[in-house]
Amino acid sequence: DVKVTQSSRYLVKRTGEKVFLECVQDMDHENMFWYRQDPGLGLRLIYFSYDVKMKEKGDIPEGYSVSREKKERFSLILESASTNQTSMYLCASTPGGQGAGNTIYFGEGSWLTVV
Amino acid sequence: DAKTTQPPSMDCAEGRAANLPCNHSTISGNEYVYWYRQIHSQGPQYIIHGLKNNETNEMASLIITEDRKSSTLILPHATLRDTAVYYCIVRIQGAQKLVFGQGTRLTINP
Repeated sequence: DVKVTQSSRYLVKRTGEKVFLECVQDMDHENMFWYRQDPGLGLRLIYFSYDVKMKEKGDIPEGYSVSREKKERFSLILESASTNQTSMYLCASTPGGQGAGNTIYFGEGSWLTVV
Repeated sequence: DAKTTQPPSMDCAEGRAANLPCNHSTISGNEYVYWYRQIHSQGPQYIIHGLKNNETNEMASLIITEDRKSSTLILPHATLRDTAVYYCIVRIQGAQKLVFGQGTRLTINP
């Protein structure tokens, strides 16, 4: 089974802190994603990466950056956390290629509260 | 982007088949239909996907109409653990991203 692991399930951080959310997948997938999920807004794509050291902005990249130094690991960084970044963050991965039949697998989610 | 329409909520008795409908009338010929579910506080779980033929796996069956404008997810013998929000999604080409709608909140009753 595909496993997408997010290192922290629940975090509480202070405004202005730098926050790292880590994600690791064990299926040698090329593509990895970071979403955030908020009530009434559904899942929104923050960033995605289709290869090591490559990244693309999603729909809401402002206030976030990402890092992909190794194929299996994709990190989301909040340079200076703000209260409006309180949310559930979801990491996902999928095999490479443009085939629409490739399934996207999600991690368990990281609940971030910024106070 | 093709959009989907699902009923906001449904109930089903434990042990019965749960049939979840989805309308995707603007789907393109090469777009797949995906189903995910999300149990509270967890990440979305992949269930099944299909293009135009009906599909079955160990979790569910997917019935897609011949014109591809709608589909039905069938959980053949629903259990209490199937209580979740179920999302029907049309896969957008190119960007590899999924666009989730509001989904159907399915409640399985004992």
